[in-house]
Amino acid sequence: QKEVEQDPGPLSVPEGAIVSLNCTYSNSAFQYFMWYRQYSRKGPELLMYTYSSGNKEDGRFTAQVDKSSKYISLFIRDSQPSDSATYLCAMKRNYGQNFVFGPGTRLSVLP
Amino acid sequence: DTGVSQDPRHKITKRGQNVTFRCDPISEHNRLYWYRQTLGQGPEFLTYFQNEAQLEKSRLLSDRFSAERPKGSFSTLEIQRTEQGDSAMYLCASRQGLETQYFGPGTRLLVL
Repeated sequence: QKEVEQDPGPLSVPEGAIVSLNCTYSNSAFQYFMWYRQYSRKGPELLMYTYSSGNKEDGRFTAQVDKSSKYISLFIRDSQPSDSATYLCAMKRNYGQNFVFGPGTRLSVLP
Repeated sequence: DTGVSQDPRHKITKRGQNVTFRCDPISEHNRLYWYRQTLGQGPEFLTYFQNEAQLEKSRLLSDRFSAERPKGSFSTLEIQRTEQGDSAMYLCASRQGLETQYFGPGTRLLVL
């Protein structure tokens, strides 16, 4: 079993929909949680960064962390075709520098 | 300085050849990371530098791989005796203190 799991998709939604992306993980030592967006043939771009549990909102994006369930989510409101990309979750323990990434979910927002 | 840069962006080589990639981090960032990403997967951690010191290496980093960061600025990743399984995107990221990391555009390697 991989440390971080994500549904690979593809996930297709109409423009304006609310998108829910999720990751589960097995290691309770993870304390830092991140979401990245990656366009085809580009490097990942940071979207959201949270420490420990709770919610964080930034514009159309909301990140949630539920450490008791080892489950994190990213919500995208009013989705746009420009949101079409692969979304990667990433996690890190308090110690060490090994950021562990999920395999990514490919999202298509249809106009 | 607008971000992390990597060179070259693409590299095609024959099996058995050596290749070297360069990463220039964001100028004030003291932490530098190398990752490998294959199709349909997330980035996999390879190694980490704090300033010029290489402090962590993944078990993925075989003895054919070597990385350096002289003077704590740019970094190089060399792969010796390349194999077809080395074909991947090699990503560099940099970070300052406890801030999160920022990625470069990657070097796409194809080993024929």
